[in-house]
Amino acid sequence: KQEVTQIPAALSVPEGENLVLNCSFTDSAIYNLQWFRQDPGKGLTSLLLIQSSQREQTSGRLNASLDKSSGRSTLYIAASQPGDSATYLCAVRPGDFNKFYFGSGTKLNVKP
Amino acid sequence: DARVTQTPRHKVTEMGQEVTMRCQPILGHNTVFWYRQTMMQGLELLAYFRNRAPLDDSGMPKDRFSAEMPDATLATLKIQPSEPRDSAVYFCASGFIGTDGYTFGSGTRLTVV
Repeated sequence: KQEVTQIPAALSVPEGENLVLNCSFTDSAIYNLQWFRQDPGKGLTSLLLIQSSQREQTSGRLNASLDKSSGRSTLYIAASQPGDSATYLCAVRPGDFNKFYFGSGTKLNVKP
Repeated sequence: DARVTQTPRHKVTEMGQEVTMRCQPILGHNTVFWYRQTMMQGLELLAYFRNRAPLDDSGMPKDRFSAEMPDATLATLKIQPSEPRDSAVYFCASGFIGTDGYTFGSGTRLTVV
């Protein structure tokens, strides 16, 4: 069974810092990996989707990388802002399309 | 932007009552998931459908939960009878098998008292 771990569970940084969120998974046979953002009391918003054949994806200040062989993905946030405060979840989709396995999330707080 | 619509957004009900949650997936998506989110367990997969056929509902308590897709524009999740431990946020997500990711609805926050 695929297990997805996110470290750290919580992170508090001052505004303007560059930061890295980590996601690791136990089975490298994945179809793709998706990073989501969840604001308190809200649904999940997709941030970036990386196919298994890709190494990274970028959207604005966000950059996600994927190292399938080592079972790792990182989400890099440049020049963090208070509006980035949220919980960030990574989800792995296995090669058989059956399920989406979620990590437990990293709760980010960016202080003004 | 296309989105997944869930109703109701909030539901408070008494223990023992039937609860029905609805989801309208994005038009053209052929895969629909139901997830439950709690502080303790995080996101748990309850059931998923492909082309309206249930493929996996092993995450659901079968004695009280049921999930259906009466047509391509509607997915339902029912709880009968509801219990306080069912209190959670229930999310629906839809997607298309291929290279796309999945889009989540805003969730139904269920409170069973």
